[in-house]
Amino acid sequence: KAGVTQTPRYLIKTRGQQVTLSCSPISGHRSVSWYQQTPGQGLQFLFEYFSETQRNKGNFPGRFSGRQFSNSRSEMNVSTLELGDSALYLCASSLLGQGAYEQYFGPGTRLTVT
Amino acid sequence: AQSVTQLGSHVSVSEGALVLLRCNYSSSVPPYLFWYVQYPNQGLQLLLKYTSAATLVKGINGFEAEFKKSETSFHLTKPSAHMSDAAEYFCAVSVGFVNTGNQFYFGTGTSLTVIP
Repeated sequence: KAGVTQTPRYLIKTRGQQVTLSCSPISGHRSVSWYQQTPGQGLQFLFEYFSETQRNKGNFPGRFSGRQFSNSRSEMNVSTLELGDSALYLCASSLLGQGAYEQYFGPGTRLTVT
Repeated sequence: AQSVTQLGSHVSVSEGALVLLRCNYSSSVPPYLFWYVQYPNQGLQLLLKYTSAATLVKGINGFEAEFKKSETSFHLTKPSAHMSDAAEYFCAVSVGFVNTGNQFYFGTGTSLTVIP
């Protein structure tokens, strides 16, 4: 089975721009979660989608948004980029997204905001 | 509320020595616990998970972890460190309720250095 894929792998944007990141989960997985990873804050949960519905949301401003399509692929969007948004953005998929079901992570998208 | 504490942000061991990475959790209900490893410029890879079956869980690459409810701990061990074990290790907790979704809580990570 193919793993979780994320595109693009690297991205450089300037302040004020917006960006869209894409995630394709493992086939059959219905839950997709997004995380922001930075050296100072570690792994922070952004949101989780299940069957096209946002089911959980972390403590991030409204500039961060996402969606999930009927084939479970997910996108996240960050508008009005700030320097502090520079991070590794990780996507993880899970079979049902509950409790004992482990998450499988993609390689991440490294976003640099200048 | 659920949280995870990893004691020691950096751990160094000699090649061949015991690896011990500490993780303590707090959870209002019996948790599901996970250890993940992250190599540079890569995503996280699952090492092992505890789901309330055996308290001693064996994972990949010779790692294992023991769930100790009385100590609220889930420490990761490996008898003999290899150079290839150098990476960042994350402990995570997930509490399973129907319809609540998948919000893992991750520790801040422990960077393991293996000295030749």
